[in-house]
Amino acid sequence: QVTLKESGPALVKPTQTLTLTCTLSGFSVTSVGTRVSWIRQPPGEALEWLARIDWDDEKFYSPSLKTRLTISKDTSKDQVVLTMTNMDPVDTATYYCARQGGGETLPFDYWGQGTQVTVSS
Amino acid sequence: DIQMTQSPSSLSASIGDRVTITCRASQSISTSLNWYQQKPGKTPKLLIYAASSLQSGVPSRFSGSGSGTGFTLTISSLQPEDFATYYCQQGYVAPPAFGQGTRVEI
Repeated sequence: QVTLKESGPALVKPTQTLTLTCTLSGFSVTSVGTRVSWIRQPPGEALEWLARIDWDDEKFYSPSLKTRLTISKDTSKDQVVLTMTNMDPVDTATYYCARQGGGETLPFDYWGQGTQVTVSS
Repeated sequence: DIQMTQSPSSLSASIGDRVTITCRASQSISTSLNWYQQKPGKTPKLLIYAASSLQSGVPSRFSGSGSGTGFTLTISSLQPEDFATYYCQQGYVAPPAFGQGTRVEI
């Protein structure tokens, strides 16, 4: 059974660095074809893709947030980690990790339940 | 980057209605278009991938069509559990982009 679970702080202060962890189950971060993305959703707003890491360690970032994001994986724990620097109140959102399936369109076929992050002093 | 625009932003409909949501890409994306449903407080759920392929377990009243820059999601007969927000997403090229969502209300 494929599952993803996000973990991290619920509250961070402005200018701090956020670190979120996505723990995979039912599939491995090193299996050929595995792609895991982070996506966020501010309250009442649309989904925004942030970053992706592939099984071969190829990485992709949102152009608008690229300077603040780092995505990595811990193969021993089957985890994907996202760090976002210089947090601001506008970064308040629910952060999801999601697996991208195969095929031409790489749809997000499995999602974690999301973790709410509030940025406030 | 490719921009995705959905219309309408919201709509009101009744049980049994046929509902159509439109998604437009800022450039051609062939059929690399996915649709998701999100209920309040819940995680998005994949409905359709590659413009018209139904994800396993999704009711057949949902269908998708289109190619190039114009796409539609149709619900043939709206059911109570279909009241939600729907998002399109292009999978043609990184970065993947979502539309702004269409809220389907009673």
